[in-house]
Amino acid sequence: EIALTQSPGTLSLSPGERATLSCRASQSITNNYLTWYQHKPGLAPRLLIYGASKRATGIPDRFSGSGSGTDFTLTISRLEPEDFAVYYCQHFGSSPRWTFGQGTTVEIK
Amino acid sequence: QVQLQESGPGLVKPSETLSLTCTVSGYSISSGYYWGWIRQAPGKGLDWIGSVHQSGITHYNPSLKSRVTMSVDTSKNHFSLSLSSVTAADTAFYYCARVVTSGNLAGVFDFWGQGTMVSVSS
Repeated sequence: EIALTQSPGTLSLSPGERATLSCRASQSITNNYLTWYQHKPGLAPRLLIYGASKRATGIPDRFSGSGSGTDFTLTISRLEPEDFAVYYCQHFGSSPRWTFGQGTTVEIK
Repeated sequence: QVQLQESGPGLVKPSETLSLTCTVSGYSISSGYYWGWIRQAPGKGLDWIGSVHQSGITHYNPSLKSRVTMSVDTSKNHFSLSLSSVTAADTAFYYCARVVTSGNLAGVFDFWGQGTMVSVSS
């Protein structure tokens, strides 16, 4: 079973700044089955990035994903007010099984 | 546009069974895909509960497997979750979602419901 560890737990930034979120897997992830979601209170989680680096339909290009193996990154190039939220990485593994990281909160500084 | 909506009791007594339904609109469940349940306990992250295919094939989180049952009703275009012998630890927001299991989006929850809060308390 692959575990996902996200860091930092909380990121305090101002609008316009760059956000870099990390997701580390306990074992190498094959086929880049690594997904990122944005979650705001009271709303449905929103698919951002799949396949480690592919933006989902309608996602602004300020969101980008990168990485392979055990280390993955979500970057928000310039934070907009609506980007302050919790971000989760998620892996689809064999069995099959779905695993989430514990989340990174991006809050307004 | 695919839309999902969870429904069910907001309060369940300890040791009883939690039952939720997810109604899908904008897509026919019988057309394929897996359908999943995910929960978020207060102050915690997202936790996958299980996934069910329109054919009835199920996959459950091993940590909950002994207490979980999922099913699909294609005639009503909804799928369901039952979690037995609940305790306070099962208090959480429960989300349903569509699951892609092949192609570039394999393993992705692409459409989600807004979630429903279930509290376990006497």
